[in-house]
Parts: sequence; C-alpha cells; structure tokens
Amino acid sequence: EAQVTQNPRYLITVTGKKLTVTCSQNMNHEYMSWYRQDPGLGLRQIYYSMNVEVTDKGDVPEGYKVSRKEKRNFPLILESPSPNQTSLYFCASSLTGQAAPYEQYFGPGTRLTVT
Amino acid sequence: EDKVVQSPLSLVVHEGDTVTLNCSYEVTNFRSLLWYKQEKKAPTFLFMLTSSGIEKKSGRLSSILDKKELFSILNITATQTGDSAVYLCAVGITYSGGGADGLTFGKGTHLIIQP
Repeated sequence: EAQVTQNPRYLITVTGKKLTVTCSQNMNHEYMSWYRQDPGLGLRQIYYSMNVEVTDKGDVPEGYKVSRKEKRNFPLILESPSPNQTSLYFCASSLTGQAAPYEQYFGPGTRLTVT
Repeated sequence: EDKVVQSPLSLVVHEGDTVTLNCSYEVTNFRSLLWYKQEKKAPTFLFMLTSSGIEKKSGRLSSILDKKELFSILNITATQTGDSAVYLCAVGITYSGGGADGLTFGKGTHLIIQP
C-alpha cells in the first residue's frame, strides 16, 4: 500500500530535549516536505527536499533541522525543542519534475507537545 | 510575499444544501492550485487545477480555476454530513532559483453540515 508513515504519532517532551520525528514513504517520490499546522495559521512549510542530499528551507525553518540521506526517509530534528514548537506536524511526499507539482501525499501527523 | 486566502473561514449549512468555497491567491511563479479535504487527520487530495476555465469533477464535488482573476472555487452539491471537514486550498509555486516546487496553503474553510 502506497503510504507515508510518521513516528511517533504522539509525543510529549520537555524543553531542550533533542528529538527526531521520522518520516518514510514507499512511493519512490523525489520530493518530501515537512509542515506544521497550528490553529488559525493553517499549514506552514518547514523544510523540503527535492531529492537525496538536497534540502531547503520553507517558510518556518527556525529551530528545525532535516536530512535526506536516503530517498525514502526524511527525518525532522528538533535539537532543542521549545514550547512554541508544540504543534501538529505532517510529512508529505510527491513526484516532481518540470510540470506543475504533483499532488502531495500526507502522513498521518505527529502531535508534539513541548512543556 | 506569497498569499493564499480562503473564504469563508467557517460555514454551517444544512444537509442537501449546495456550498461554494473560495480561494484567492497572490503568488509569484504559479504552477498549480490544489484542493484538499481534512477531517480529524491528514489532508487528502481532492483536485489539482492548472488551466483556467476547465472544471474538474468528482461526484458531488467540482472545482474551477480562473488564472486571470487569481481565484478558484470548490462546489459541493447535495451536501451530506460526511462532507463536514476543513477544506484546504494550496497553490503550487516554484521557489526562486528554479527547480524546486512548494505548496503555500490557505488557512482553510471549516465546513459543518447539519442534519
């Protein structure tokens, strides 16, 4: 089954404790992206990756890191989480190319609470 | 700054009514416009529009894009309680420097269908 998986689905942590949210897709998509969703602010892009070893900042990259060592995986790293990073996080993937962006497939979401 | 504005932000109608959701945008390097439906989980893809004036239909849902006036509408006819969700509009853009595509999301329209 074609899917994007994220782990963990729920996480409560404390300020400053490094954490990683994993994202994996099995569709051989080149493009992967991380979003955060907050009430009243909608979905905002954190980082994206066009392909292996190619990553770039989205609209709200501060406080986050990513890596793309393999095509299928795109982990999101919070080196020193703070309460303002409490949010619902989505990973997404899609094909890419010269034409318009293909539809993005979203993972199930990770609800992160930083106390 | 790229901007995607959806209206109304929330809408309550009765089952059987027809609703029209609006999405206007101001972006550079427009590639496509996408509609997603989000229930209490990850967004699911509905439509991708790239050409003006060509309606896309899926059952009771339809959508059209006007690239001259920079907006799109999503119509839902004969609404059902299962249509209750947040409907997200996103515009696919090419980031400056070329070669990369991203999605800028609106804040969504929260649609509630009352029995």
